[in-house]
Amino acid sequence: AQSVTQLDSQVPVFEEAPVELRCNYSSSVSVYLFWYVQYPNQGLQLLLKYLSGSTLVKGINGFEAEFNKSQTSFHLRKPSVHISDTAEYFCAVRGNEKLTFGTGTRLTIIP
Amino acid sequence: ETGVTQSPTHLIKTRGQQVTLRCSSQSGHNTVSWYQQALGQGPQFIFQYYREEENGRGNFPPRFSGLQFPNYSSELNVNALELDDSALYLCASSSTHSGNLDHQETQYFGPGTRLLVL
Repeated sequence: AQSVTQLDSQVPVFEEAPVELRCNYSSSVSVYLFWYVQYPNQGLQLLLKYLSGSTLVKGINGFEAEFNKSQTSFHLRKPSVHISDTAEYFCAVRGNEKLTFGTGTRLTIIP
Repeated sequence: ETGVTQSPTHLIKTRGQQVTLRCSSQSGHNTVSWYQQALGQGPQFIFQYYREEENGRGNFPPRFSGLQFPNYSSELNVNALELDDSALYLCASSSTHSGNLDHQETQYFGPGTRLLVL
């Protein structure tokens, strides 16, 4: 079985400031980790993924995440946010056939 | 855009009715998964289809059923609708190689169908 915990339901950040969205997971099988973004009234868009290899993963829109096996974490970071980053962010772990999602973090950018 | 399309975009039904949602997978993808996203929640896995057969199911009752067609498109059917079925229904397509479902590639999502049950 697998599970995902997103510790922050809402994160307000000033424009051009850095941000970190936290994600912790548990999985009894091989770990494949994902971050998806959901803009208002839209579906999910893949930001980045960790399947194997380098623990630092770079994605679209300037986001990156680091897989930490010892801490069972996969935190998402961006060095400088923009108004257009306002959205809901979901961390997910894939085990067998399905994705298990966290409850999401709403990122709000303050001008 | 992912190339995954869903129809309709919005739907309003009344309690007890039946609904069919449709999904066309991205070109080259042979596996379709369905998720339910209630308001303010993360998506929950309903089931997955591969080679026209259900492969894995989440914690959803039998009144949630599906089909996959030879062209890999898929339908989600929900019978005897309840108020709690109101949600965004997301379809995701992926590619499974060599018949090994452990070797699926990344799931790409469509825009969803928003269902409101009154």
